[in-house]
Amino acid sequence: EAEVAQSPRYKITEKSQAVAFWCDPISGHATLYWYRQILGQGPELLVQFQDESVVDDSQLPKDRFSAERLKGVDSTLKIQPAELGDSAMYLCASSGGHSNTEAFFGQGTRLTVV
Amino acid sequence: AQSVAQPEDQVNVAEGNPLTVKCTYSVSGNPYLFWYVQYPNRGLQFLLKYITGDNLVKGSYGFEAEFNKSQTSFHLKKPSALVSDSALYFCAVRGSTLGRLYFGRGTQLTVWP
Repeated sequence: EAEVAQSPRYKITEKSQAVAFWCDPISGHATLYWYRQILGQGPELLVQFQDESVVDDSQLPKDRFSAERLKGVDSTLKIQPAELGDSAMYLCASSGGHSNTEAFFGQGTRLTVV
Repeated sequence: AQSVAQPEDQVNVAEGNPLTVKCTYSVSGNPYLFWYVQYPNRGLQFLLKYITGDNLVKGSYGFEAEFNKSQTSFHLKKPSALVSDSALYFCAVRGSTLGRLYFGRGTQLTVWP
């Protein structure tokens, strides 16, 4: 069964350092999402791509976060500099791109900023 | 504005009893509704969805959900709970063609033996 791949699974970084996460969506899925999930809360959208274009980054803290999906396939989310409050689970998901299809999630990257 | 409310942080049931996890939503236009389950330190797994048609939808692991348009609800149900159903459950809604999913805060389900 096809899966969304994310790496790393766990990341510990010091505050003010740079950190990057990688996501490979299910083959053929045009829509890719990055979500942040703080412990005890539901996932919140950071950025949504349709192919290589950003369609929603309204909740992305653009002073420190960046995301790219250069060839419309895999994607990288970067934080620079990391802050203590960035500690969370970062989830990548993909879907077929139509409004009625479900999103499939990866295992997530658990980030701890110390 | 679109939103999802899960009014219960926790639901506790005995194994073999029926379970219900509640969800209400607010969306402009026709809602596309989803339920996901999350186990500790894992991503979200899709359970079921409502797009159109029959108000009772069936999904994975014996779960089902009932769409009620007048009450703007989409409650998750299972006739007989298992201990292995213990997990965190999220309701989500999508209301536009852009496909952004809005999630509730989640409900922790605990099924005791």
